[in-house]
Amino acid sequence: EVQVLESGGGLVQPGGSLRLSCAASGFTFSNSAMSWVRQAPGKGLEWVSEISGSGGSTYYADSVKGRFTISRDNSKNTLFLQMNSLRAEDTAVYYCAKDILAGYYSEWGQGSLVTVSS
Amino acid sequence: DIQMTQSPSSVSASVGDRVTITCRASQSISSWLAWYQQKPGKAPKLLIYAASSLQSGVPSRFSGSGSGTDFTLTITSLQPEDFATYYCQQANNFPRTFGQGTKLEI
Repeated sequence: EVQVLESGGGLVQPGGSLRLSCAASGFTFSNSAMSWVRQAPGKGLEWVSEISGSGGSTYYADSVKGRFTISRDNSKNTLFLQMNSLRAEDTAVYYCAKDILAGYYSEWGQGSLVTVSS
Repeated sequence: DIQMTQSPSSVSASVGDRVTITCRASQSISSWLAWYQQKPGKAPKLLIYAASSLQSGVPSRFSGSGSGTDFTLTITSLQPEDFATYYCQQANNFPRTFGQGTKLEI
């Protein structure tokens, strides 16, 4: 069974940092691009970042470029999102998602809540 | 960035009805479009990809059509479990972008 499970969310002050992790199982992790998608409370979905299966290519939304870094450890089947210089508008549930085919997300985690507040 | 605009923002329907949701892209995305269903407190679920391909395990009452800039998601014979919010998403290029969502209510 394909599973992705996020962890690492929590409360952080503005300007602070947080690292999200996503543990994957049930598929060949290194063959799959992976993404982070977030959803602010009561709002719609916002794509955040994507990384290729090898980790050699990364992409970011303008809203997080220069502050967030996506990475992966294929030996541990784990995806990461390092979030720095956090702002109140980064408050959201962050989902890890498996890309089945060039930008279509077939498997999603349960989400990890990040709250940026003083 | 490609803007995705869904209409309507909300729609009321009854069990057994047929519902159509539309999604318009600000520029041509060929058939690089997906549809997702999201229920409150849950992760999105992929329904349709490549504009009209049904994801494995998704009931056949869901169908998608369109290409270029105009797309539709049709649900025939609405079931109680179909009441949710639906999002379109373009996969033509980066950044990936979603529509604002359509809430399907009873």
